[in-house]
Amino acid sequence: AQSVTQPDIHITVSEGASLELRCNYSYGATPYLFWYVQSPGQGLQLLLKYFSGDTLVQGIKGFEAEFKRSQSSFNLRKPSVHWSDAAEYFCAVGARGGSQGNLIFGKGTKLSVKP
Amino acid sequence: DVKVTQSSRYLVKRTGEKVFLECVQDMDHENMFWYRQDPGLGLRLIYFSYDVKMKEKGDIPEGYSVSREKKERFSLILESASTNQTSMYLCASSRTMNTEAFFGQGTRLTVV
Repeated sequence: AQSVTQPDIHITVSEGASLELRCNYSYGATPYLFWYVQSPGQGLQLLLKYFSGDTLVQGIKGFEAEFKRSQSSFNLRKPSVHWSDAAEYFCAVGARGGSQGNLIFGKGTKLSVKP
Repeated sequence: DVKVTQSSRYLVKRTGEKVFLECVQDMDHENMFWYRQDPGLGLRLIYFSYDVKMKEKGDIPEGYSVSREKKERFSLILESASTNQTSMYLCASSRTMNTEAFFGQGTRLTVV
């Protein structure tokens, strides 16, 4: 069965510092991969996605993620964090050709930004 | 832009009430989903639908039912609300299987 692990429950970074949020997945083949962001009290917004091709994916708000097949990872990065990036971030996988239809989500990483 | 609209942002209901949560999407998506979100547990799938009048159970369907009479609308029904159903409920839709889902703003339900 597919699973997604986000090892860090809560991360605090200083404004202007770089950020890396970790995501590891378990799946027999290369899945579809996604990162979402959720501001307090809001729904989830898609940041970026990976289907195939270039393993470095650019998203909105200056985020990028790199797919590493050998490590079953899809880590999210941002070179310089802004206070408005404080939110919860979710990694998700979708099974290629799967019949279930839904994405499987990690439990999320909450990002706090220090001024 | 895809828009997924949930009928209420906040709801307070009494134990034993029948509760309807409504969700509408405007992009002609085939698939629609209801998730429940609780602190520390992430998003858990309650039900999903891949076509009108079709539904499939997710991971935690107990105490819930769904209705999809029209392609754009997917309703979640709590037959008899209980306090352990106090949660954030998120509706989503997607065009094809296992690809990106678009979410509504969420409904925070409190059962007292």
